[in-house]
Amino acid sequence: AQKITQTQPGMFVQEKEAVTLDCTYDTSDPSYGLFWYKQPSSGEMIFLIYQGSYDQQNATEGRYSLNFQKARKSANLVISASQLGDSAMYFCAMREDSGAGSYQLTFGKGTKLSVIP
Amino acid sequence: ETGVTQTPRHLVMGMTNKKSLKCEQHLGHNAMYWYKQSAKKPLELMFVYSLEERVENNSVPSRFSPECPNSSHLFLHLHTLQPEDSALYLCASSQDGQLYEQYFGPGTRLTVT
Repeated sequence: AQKITQTQPGMFVQEKEAVTLDCTYDTSDPSYGLFWYKQPSSGEMIFLIYQGSYDQQNATEGRYSLNFQKARKSANLVISASQLGDSAMYFCAMREDSGAGSYQLTFGKGTKLSVIP
Repeated sequence: ETGVTQTPRHLVMGMTNKKSLKCEQHLGHNAMYWYKQSAKKPLELMFVYSLEERVENNSVPSRFSPECPNSSHLFLHLHTLQPEDSALYLCASSQDGQLYEQYFGPGTRLTVT
């Protein structure tokens, strides 16, 4: 079974509008971290935001916020006031806190976001 | 220089060649990673080094050989590659510890002919 599922291969959003990118995850580990990365066409993966499994509040970083619903195992990324420079691939990732995979970031397949002027 | 740098940015090599990818991090981190990103597939972790010791090797073929001479540098030595090895190879670094974010370099776009 996939550990990270991103169901939207591609999304379009009008400039200045908000957009939500979906991510669901699967783990039996009580301690884990969830990450969102942005990958522009240049290839570099840019860290955006982090949510810990024990964090009480949803993470926010500027225009990025993470809608963390632990019971539903979802960690959706919300981008407010979209800009043309937000056009990129967005990856959700998880790191589990125990066992042999504790160093591993497991990535989803990504969502390609296109911002329309 | 700041962040994580990778050289070369692009590499074309034949199946009989030997080449090396270089990664350098200027963030004071003590863990470094190699990932492979193929078209339409999630990122795949290849190797992890923590405090210059290899701590994970995810069933990577022996034609890929990592080297971590110190906490700032990571190499990936390539020999007798196959065309299916063509991909974007990303290096990352982080503070050792399970829940720290990883910072990525710009990647090396490798084409095996």
